[in-house]
Amino acid sequence: DTGVSQDPRHKITKRGQNVTFRCDPISEHNRLYWYRQTLGQGPEFLTYFQNEAQLEKSRLLSDRFSAERPKGSFSTLEIQRTEQGDSAMYLCASSLGYQGATNEKLFFGSGTQLSVL
Amino acid sequence: AQSVTQLGSHVSVSEGALVLLRCNYSSSVPPYLFWYVQYPNQGLQLLLKYTTGATLVKGINGFEAEFKKSETSFHLTKPSAHMSDAAEYFCAVTPSASKIIFGSGTRLSIRP
Repeated sequence: DTGVSQDPRHKITKRGQNVTFRCDPISEHNRLYWYRQTLGQGPEFLTYFQNEAQLEKSRLLSDRFSAERPKGSFSTLEIQRTEQGDSAMYLCASSLGYQGATNEKLFFGSGTQLSVL
Repeated sequence: AQSVTQLGSHVSVSEGALVLLRCNYSSSVPPYLFWYVQYPNQGLQLLLKYTTGATLVKGINGFEAEFKKSETSFHLTKPSAHMSDAAEYFCAVTPSASKIIFGSGTRLSIRP
């Protein structure tokens, strides 16, 4: 168990550019989540995968955001035509089962800090 | 829609004093409730959770929380604060088997 890995740790980009982040969950975890966190706020839910299926996507999520988990393992989050308001920490988390189970919890990665200039 | 409200964005207590972090939830169905902690420069980790059964839940590092349905609350407490408890604490609720909705967080500072 090497934990949830996110790459890169930091990304600086110019407004209008596209960026892509990668998340490698814990190997046996079939559930994967993306969150966004800005300074002084809690994590904001973006999207959720069970295996390769994207089962839920936040209504707040712009069409510029897209996420994939093609083989049910790693996931990518792409932001097209970035805006300054996209600057945030993007967090990935994974779990084995559903959160109502007694011994289940989310395992979070360290995040990717995006700065849009 | 399910949500949580954390009362107080910043709480400061003296070392050895009681820690009380407040959380109220809104849910149309029996909720699953969580407290997560984020230490400086670390990822979020689970402190404790309530699903069903006993309403007083014990977590790691001496923290506990009590689910009070009548008050729609899930406050986090610790009898005696340590300097190492300084962190950001997030209350959260899950309305379904999938996503977890987090509150805005409470930053806990410990005075020597």
